[in-house]
Amino acid sequence: EPEVTQTPSHQVTQMGQEVILRCVPISNHLYFYWYRQILGQKVEFLVSFYNNEISEKSEIFDDQFSVERPDGSNFTLKIRSTKLEDSAMYFCASSGADSNQPQHFGDGTRLSIL
Amino acid sequence: QKEVEQDPGPLSVPEGAIVSLNCTYSNSAFQYFMWYRQYSRKGPELLMYTYSSGNKEDGRFTAQVDKSSKYISLFIRDSQPSDSATYLCATCIYNQGGKLIFGQGTELSVKP
Repeated sequence: EPEVTQTPSHQVTQMGQEVILRCVPISNHLYFYWYRQILGQKVEFLVSFYNNEISEKSEIFDDQFSVERPDGSNFTLKIRSTKLEDSAMYFCASSGADSNQPQHFGDGTRLSIL
Repeated sequence: QKEVEQDPGPLSVPEGAIVSLNCTYSNSAFQYFMWYRQYSRKGPELLMYTYSSGNKEDGRFTAQVDKSSKYISLFIRDSQPSDSATYLCATCIYNQGGKLIFGQGTELSVKP
């Protein structure tokens, strides 16, 4: 069964450093998403992306964050200058022909900021 | 008022029991409803997806939506130890970029 894959599974970074989280969505999906889950808290929406543009973003997704689809298979989340409070699980998801289709998630990247 | 509320549990049941998991939501504009299962250190796994009031069944799982009460449920029949996980309800508004709003998640433990 096709799946969303994310790398790395765990990223440790010094505060203030840039980090890039990578995702390979399901191959025929057109909509891509990033969510985060701080330990013990809800899964929170960050951003959705379609046709090389951001469709929707949350208040969390400020100027420190950016997303990119650098090629036909990868989808990345960049955090420019990491803060301690960016420590969380980051999940990538994708859905098919429109944003109302069910979203399928990867297993996440655990980001630890020191 | 929180957009989606879910009892975090933990909920512990014996193997073979019927499990009922519930969420309430506040915004009547929510139109699509999902249940995800999340094992420890894994991503949410889609179990059920529905957009209409009523019941939807898939094997041992039944999702129920009552839009008039803003109440969604997931029933698990003949629960198994492998069902032990955290169950997340989620919802979204039509054509709002697919932004899912999640509940807190209910931790379920099925004891052999």
